[in-house]
Amino acid sequence: ETGVTQSPTHLIKTRGQQVTLRCSSQSGHNTVSWYQQALGQGPQFIFQYYREEENGRGNFPPRFSGLQFPNYSSELNVNALELDDSALYLCASSLRTGEDSPLHFGNGTRLTVT
Amino acid sequence: AQSVTQLGSHVSVSEGALVLLRCNYSSSVPPYLFWYVQYPNQGLQLLLKYTTGATLVKGINGFEAEFKKSETSFHLTKPSAHMSDAAEYFCAVTGATGRRALTFGSGTRLQVQP
Repeated sequence: ETGVTQSPTHLIKTRGQQVTLRCSSQSGHNTVSWYQQALGQGPQFIFQYYREEENGRGNFPPRFSGLQFPNYSSELNVNALELDDSALYLCASSLRTGEDSPLHFGNGTRLTVT
Repeated sequence: AQSVTQLGSHVSVSEGALVLLRCNYSSSVPPYLFWYVQYPNQGLQLLLKYTTGATLVKGINGFEAEFKKSETSFHLTKPSAHMSDAAEYFCAVTGATGRRALTFGSGTRLQVQP
């Protein structure tokens, strides 16, 4: 069984640039969520996708956007990068959208904005 | 609205000693509660979850947690710490809000002394 994989593992960008992070869901999982984890903090919910539609969003500005593809893989796009966007970005997949369905996390992408 | 408070950002125990990590939650709906563990440079791994039913929940690696509604608590315990338990532990809450999003606490770093 293949777990959740994320790419790249590390990324350095300059303020104002745009970035795309990628995630492959665990086999059989149709729901993907993205979380931002700042240094020393717990993860914060960005948004969730189910069957290629956004299915919930946290308190993040519109410059954070996403996509889910027919094979359930996903992208997180961030425009106009700010220094505070520096964080570990975690992708998580689950079997269904139900609140009791456990999330399976990837190892994350470490984004540094300079 | 939901929130999680983890008391103690750092906990240090001796190998073989009892591990107790504290978590209190606030939720306007019946909560679903989770404990996740994060090892350095990795994503989060589910330790255990409470949704409905038995309030004492057993998880992986010998950990367990008890849901106490009257105290709004979901503390994590392990009778005997092992060196391999050293990691960051996160408590999280969600509920039947129709939106699948975990709210995490700020985490507790567990150190195990030989």
